[in-house]
Amino acid sequence: SQKIEQNSEALNIQEGKTATLTCNYTNYSPAYLQWYRQDPGRGPVFLLLIRENEKEKRKERLKVTFDTTLKQSLFHITASQPADSATYLCALANFGNEKLTFGTGTRLTIIP
Amino acid sequence: NAGVMQNPRHLVRRRGQEARLRCSPMKGHSHVYWYRQLPEEGLKFMVYLQKENIIDESGMPKERFSAEFPKEGPSILRIQQVVRGDSAAYFCASSPRGLAGGDQETQYFGPGTRLLVL
Repeated sequence: SQKIEQNSEALNIQEGKTATLTCNYTNYSPAYLQWYRQDPGRGPVFLLLIRENEKEKRKERLKVTFDTTLKQSLFHITASQPADSATYLCALANFGNEKLTFGTGTRLTIIP
Repeated sequence: NAGVMQNPRHLVRRRGQEARLRCSPMKGHSHVYWYRQLPEEGLKFMVYLQKENIIDESGMPKERFSAEFPKEGPSILRIQQVVRGDSAAYFCASSPRGLAGGDQETQYFGPGTRLLVL
């Protein structure tokens, strides 16, 4: 069955360092992958989308890589700040299939 | 441009009652998705609708749950005869699929409705 795993439930990073979150998947051939941020009591907020034919995408301090051979995406936040503390979700979708399949998320805490 | 709107934000029901959750997509979006997030679990897809059509309901429980997206008005997720296990956060998302340009696959989420069944 399809499975999406995100590294460790919780990750603590010192302010100013780079936070790296991992999303691994099995039994899946996604057409694209998305990363979302979710704060407690709120809905997910879209951050970045990367397609199967793209290796890397950047947006300000965020960078996403997508390796379809390893079946893995890495999500980096550089120069991390306490305001980056949140739960980060990866989500995958097949080509032509509208529904997103989410990982359980990684709770990131940036320590001042 | 207002985001996805959901109401109510919090809903308390007793076992056996009906719950109606409403979702207004972003302006210009005609694709609506409902997801459920159980405590300590990830978001799970329930149903995908376009105006007046259910496109994919593979994530909907077979009984008591229904969804609609009428030509006019918000999308409605309806849960009949609620049970304690229905307590969860229900999120609606919308996307601009079908429009030219941009990341059409991006889904924009509302703030959610937190349903508590007593």
